[in-house]
Amino acid sequence: DIQMTQSPSSLSASVGDRVTITCRASQSTRTYLNWYQQKPGKAPQLLIYGASSLQSGVPSRFSGRGSGTDFTLTISSLQPEDFATYYCQQSDSSPWTFGQGTKVEIK
Amino acid sequence: QVQLVESGGGVVQPGRSLRLSCVASGFTFSTYDMHWVRQAPGKGLEWVAFMSYDGSNKDYADPVNGRFTISRDKSKNTLYLEMSSLRVEDTGVYYCARENSGLYEAFDEWGQGTMVTVSS
Repeated sequence: DIQMTQSPSSLSASVGDRVTITCRASQSTRTYLNWYQQKPGKAPQLLIYGASSLQSGVPSRFSGRGSGTDFTLTISSLQPEDFATYYCQQSDSSPWTFGQGTKVEIK
Repeated sequence: QVQLVESGGGVVQPGRSLRLSCVASGFTFSTYDMHWVRQAPGKGLEWVAFMSYDGSNKDYADPVNGRFTISRDKSKNTLYLEMSSLRVEDTGVYYCARENSGLYEAFDEWGQGTMVTVSS
């Protein structure tokens, strides 16, 4: 199984800050790496697919990079509605696996 | 618009069974692979099961293999998860999710989830 490890597990940031979350895979996932945002009590929503492609309707302040085993999600200027938990997920092979999540909190 | 609506959750005793349903609308259900994903209270996301668009392929996470069965009915646009021999650790919100092969097989649509509580 491919293990996905996110860092940090949580972070505190202010509106307007640039935020970067890292996801590392235990083996290559090529670019089959996706990012989701989840707010409390809600279903996850797809932000980034294929490591760097922005899902339709997602603001351009979100971006993704990486390939192989190392990936990042960046929010260029944090907005109030971005405070949430973010998960990476590999879709390269079964079992599909998620990172443990990164909770972005208000500083 | 695309909608996935889960139902069937509830409180059940350990060892009992439960069947979850996910009704799809707003897209051609029979052309998409589908998944179940769960989330224990206060925890992260865990993939549970997969079924291909035509039902010919299925796959399960190790913790549920042999106890859970995924199925689909294209005439009803519905995905199912039959859960048996339920354990306390199966407690959580269960989501159905659509896999999009054109988006690097990402899960691009999710239902609102249905809560399953396994407790004596």
